[in-house]
Amino acid sequence: AQSVTQLDSHVSVSEGTPVLLRCNYSSSYSPSLFWYVQHPNKGLQLLLKYTSAATLVKGINGFEAEFKKSETSFHLTKPSAHMSDAAEYFCVVTTSGTYKYIFGTGTRLKVLA
Amino acid sequence: GAGVSQTPSNKVTEKGKYVELRCDPISGHTALYWYRQSLGQGPEFLIYFQGTGAADDSGLPNDRFFAVRPEGSVSTLKIQRTERGDSAVYLCASSPDRAGGLTDTQYFGPGTRLTVL
Repeated sequence: AQSVTQLDSHVSVSEGTPVLLRCNYSSSYSPSLFWYVQHPNKGLQLLLKYTSAATLVKGINGFEAEFKKSETSFHLTKPSAHMSDAAEYFCVVTTSGTYKYIFGTGTRLKVLA
Repeated sequence: GAGVSQTPSNKVTEKGKYVELRCDPISGHTALYWYRQSLGQGPEFLIYFQGTGAADDSGLPNDRFFAVRPEGSVSTLKIQRTERGDSAVYLCASSPDRAGGLTDTQYFGPGTRLTVL
């Protein structure tokens, strides 16, 4: 069985400071992992994905995530938050070659001016 | 190019009524997925189409829910005898679904917000 846990339901950071959104996963097989962002009234947008290539994955808008098998983690980071980063972020796990996404419960990022 | 589109964006209905939600996937994508996102939760899988056929409908909560994709492109999610608990955002996604065992990225539409009064 697969599952994903997003450890924080809400995160607040000041503009220009680093962002860390935490995600831990459980998977019986080699996982594929994704981060999606959801802005209000917009569709889910892919930020980045890990599919067993490089463990450090770079995505759009300056985000990156590191796959750590020993810690079963896939935390999302960004060196400097921008006001436009305020949104809901979802960590997703699936098994390579399958289609069913398993979503975490989401982390709402607030960026303070 | 055009992304996944969903209509209507909002639907308000009364308990017991029938509703249809439409999804228009990215052109050429053979795989189509429906998810349901309840308030404060992540999306949950409902059904997956490969072409015209439902390859996996294990996420449909009960037999009031049904989905079709008759020509392998547009899909309609149908809910009979709606209940207040059906209120949620219904998301559609599509992917190229290439062969080879790779996990395709799913591209999501903006969703339909269903409210059952």
